[in-house]
Amino acid sequence: KQEVTQIPAALSVPEGENLVLNCSFTDSAIYNLQWFRQDPGKGLTSLLLIQSSQREQTSGRLNASLDKSSGRSTLYIAASQPGDSATYLCAGGARYKLSFGAGTTVTVRA
Amino acid sequence: DAMVIQNPRYQVTQFGKPVTLSCSQTLNHNVMYWYQQKSSQAPKLLFHYYDKDFNNEADTPDNFQSRRPNTSFCFLDIRSPGLGDAAMYLCATSNQGGSSTDTQYFGPGTRLTVL
Repeated sequence: KQEVTQIPAALSVPEGENLVLNCSFTDSAIYNLQWFRQDPGKGLTSLLLIQSSQREQTSGRLNASLDKSSGRSTLYIAASQPGDSATYLCAGGARYKLSFGAGTTVTVRA
Repeated sequence: DAMVIQNPRYQVTQFGKPVTLSCSQTLNHNVMYWYQQKSSQAPKLLFHYYDKDFNNEADTPDNFQSRRPNTSFCFLDIRSPGLGDAAMYLCATSNQGGSSTDTQYFGPGTRLTVL
């Protein structure tokens, strides 16, 4: 069974600093790896999806990498803004069976 | 805008009183999922439908059932809610086939309170 871990559970940075969020998973036979954003009391918004054959994906200020051999994915957010404050979750696993991490709650201080 | 809609957003029920949560989608996706997310925890997959094919997770309690009468709608039935079933319930969809990328699109969730 896929186990997904995100450390740290919370992170606080000043505005403008680059964010690095970590995700580790136990089963390298991963179908894809997805990063989501969750605002308090809300649903999840998909940010990036990396297929198992890919090494990274980019969207605007966001870049996500995938290293299956080490069981790690990293989400980079460049030049953080207060609006980036949210919980970021990664999820991976078999097709149709995503296992989620508990998330990293990010606070960007103005 | 195409989207995933969940009703109600907040649901209060009594211990042991059956409750149904609703999810609808305008994305015309063929896969629909139900997740349970307790406070500060990771979302946990309960089951999913691929078209009309129901796929239950091995550790989903029998107390949880689901129906998908058509492509657009999917329901989560909790037959006898216990205090431990209080959580946010998230519905998601994805599209398989063609150039799809398996991205899951989530609704806003229904927060269930059990008294």
